[in-house]
Amino acid sequence: DTAVSQTPKYLVTQMGNDKSIKCEQNLGHDTMYWYKQDSKKFLKIMFSYNNKELIINETVPNRFSPKSPDKAHLNLHINSLELGDSAVYFCASSDRDRGSEQYFGPGTRLTVT
Amino acid sequence: KQEVTQIPAALSVPEGENLVLNCSFTDSAIYNLQWFRQDPGKGLTSLLLIQSSQREQTSGRLNASLDKSSGRSTLYIAASQPGDSATYLCAARNQAGTALIFGKGTTLSVSS
Repeated sequence: DTAVSQTPKYLVTQMGNDKSIKCEQNLGHDTMYWYKQDSKKFLKIMFSYNNKELIINETVPNRFSPKSPDKAHLNLHINSLELGDSAVYFCASSDRDRGSEQYFGPGTRLTVT
Repeated sequence: KQEVTQIPAALSVPEGENLVLNCSFTDSAIYNLQWFRQDPGKGLTSLLLIQSSQREQTSGRLNASLDKSSGRSTLYIAASQPGDSATYLCAARNQAGTALIFGKGTTLSVSS
């Protein structure tokens, strides 16, 4: 009965490759997010997606593109991976009408070599 | 622009002590504030959520307070245990449905 799940848990790839991380929530929430946790453990928002409205953090390179096939899924696609993309990526979800408490997935540790 | 600061960055206490973790935010017009726990190499576990209209929330040995006028929240942990050792993150949300703005966390170590 996992609330927010992500796959894969670990991802090791080479520079220049394209990769995707998948996220699914079974909480019936209307908003989903992607956060990046850098090497200093600082968490920062990348994207939020609410009812087909995408809000992009202005510091995110356009090599990163979120894709939401439906309300329960928000995938993250990354083109032309760079060393600096190495981080832990967390998916989260919340419901605007239920207090907006955010629930986080277990994270995907991306290592770019 | 909302900024969240947590002090101290690290804290070591002996088992059994009561302790307070501090969180401050620059924009008092917050929607709510959420405290999380993160164990090494793990995801985030939500501990407490305080809505802007509330002054405090309690869960077991944890009590979180919110003072919007001063831009501060505190997380009080009673009778600390080694199992409480983790990084505690404070995060503020400015509007319903928007993203959380995180502090850099306080890493707590409780020794037996």
